[in-house]
Amino acid sequence: QVQLVESEGGVVQPGGSLRLSCVASEFTFSSYAMHWVRQAPGKGLEWVGVISYDGASRYYADSVEGRFIISRDNPKNTLYVQMSSLRAEDTAVYYCAKSRVVNFAFDIWGQGTIVTVSS
Amino acid sequence: QSVLTQPPSASGTPGQRVTISCSGSRFNIGSNTVNWYQQLPGTAPKVLIYNNNQRPSGVPDRFSGSKSGTSASLAISGLQSEDEADYYCAVWDDSLNAWVFGGGTKLTVL
Repeated sequence: QVQLVESEGGVVQPGGSLRLSCVASEFTFSSYAMHWVRQAPGKGLEWVGVISYDGASRYYADSVEGRFIISRDNPKNTLYVQMSSLRAEDTAVYYCAKSRVVNFAFDIWGQGTIVTVSS
Repeated sequence: QSVLTQPPSASGTPGQRVTISCSGSRFNIGSNTVNWYQQLPGTAPKVLIYNNNQRPSGVPDRFSGSKSGTSASLAISGLQSEDEADYYCAVWDDSLNAWVFGGGTKLTVL
């Protein structure tokens, strides 16, 4: 069935970097915009950013602008987020999600992966 | 503080009707369609309502959405114990060029 599977997260020191990936299956990955959404422990959902179906457009939340880069490899059906200059407040479960276009509903979500920023 | 305002909690007894509100501005709800997500405990969110009032296949018609001006609402009728979850509204914000979520509403079925 249509599925998104995030890579394993991990523990990173403040100021460090981490790259997450999200592999898509059973749909035409190259036709859909893709998002990252995160959820800090015990908190609500926070949108991180989006990349258009062809990678030509990207938008980010102010909280990660300049530190996170979202990219995609359509032949590999894979979405990425490169996270740099990580802070304690970036600690969260990170979800990838797909949508028809950048400003359309997120119709499929991955299971999430935990990123902990701590010394 | 979220750009969209939701009540932090709501409750009802089985069979009752409950509504959850979501208040925004002319830049988000006033300009774009609203989506609602349900997050059951320990699971990933799933879309419940999209385009203000559309239900994806598989979502019971007990769930309905509406929008008026800069506010939106999610209604759940015939409340069931399995509806106990967190509910989030979300909409694209034209001034921020970003998606914004409400703070979430924890629904308790008494």
